[in-house]
Amino acid sequence: GQQVMQIPQYQHVQEGEDFTTYCNSSTTLSNIQWYKQRPGGHPVFLIQLVKSGEVKKQKRLTFQFGEAKKNSSLHITATQTTDVGTYFCAVKTQGGSEKLVFGKGTKLTVNP
Amino acid sequence: GAVVSQHPSWVICKSGTSVKIECRSLDFQATTMFWYRQFPKQSLMLMATSNEGSKATYEQGVEKDKFLINHASLTLSTLTVTSAHPEDSSFYICSALRGLSGSPLHFGNGTRLTVT
Repeated sequence: GQQVMQIPQYQHVQEGEDFTTYCNSSTTLSNIQWYKQRPGGHPVFLIQLVKSGEVKKQKRLTFQFGEAKKNSSLHITATQTTDVGTYFCAVKTQGGSEKLVFGKGTKLTVNP
Repeated sequence: GAVVSQHPSWVICKSGTSVKIECRSLDFQATTMFWYRQFPKQSLMLMATSNEGSKATYEQGVEKDKFLINHASLTLSTLTVTSAHPEDSSFYICSALRGLSGSPLHFGNGTRLTVT
């Protein structure tokens, strides 16, 4: 089935530093979604990327979809303590199913 | 935004008993819901797809007789962990698909199950 590799698994930064997490697939993706899960909470949808080379911004968050639609990244500029959590990318399985397969996630901790 | 309610938030049960978890879409109809399981510090693992009015579709390795799923209406899906054992202890999260294909998932708050 469809799999996506996500790195790094953990990232610890000082408040104000930047943060990036990456997702890679061996096959072309139709789209990719990003979710954030706060400690003890449930995943919350952040964004969906569909087009090749697409770049979307949400305040300090920048999401990119690769030209070949095989990789994606989430970049946070000047992290804040509120950014703490685990960031997951998720992709639909092949065959037209609506099932989402999640990457392993990147756990971000921010030192104030 | 769309709200998905999951109940209970946490439950402790004895080994051998069954536990039912409810997942409700509060402000939209969800023909499709998904049940995930999450172990500590790990990602979400899809267990099954719950389809309103039909049998659930289970992922490989998930015992359908162990994890009973019923999607009786467009707003309610239930997951029953039958004859629970300590290894079933985990965080179970439901999600609902609202809208057209490719729409994001809306997650419930999750249920932390502890089997003693």
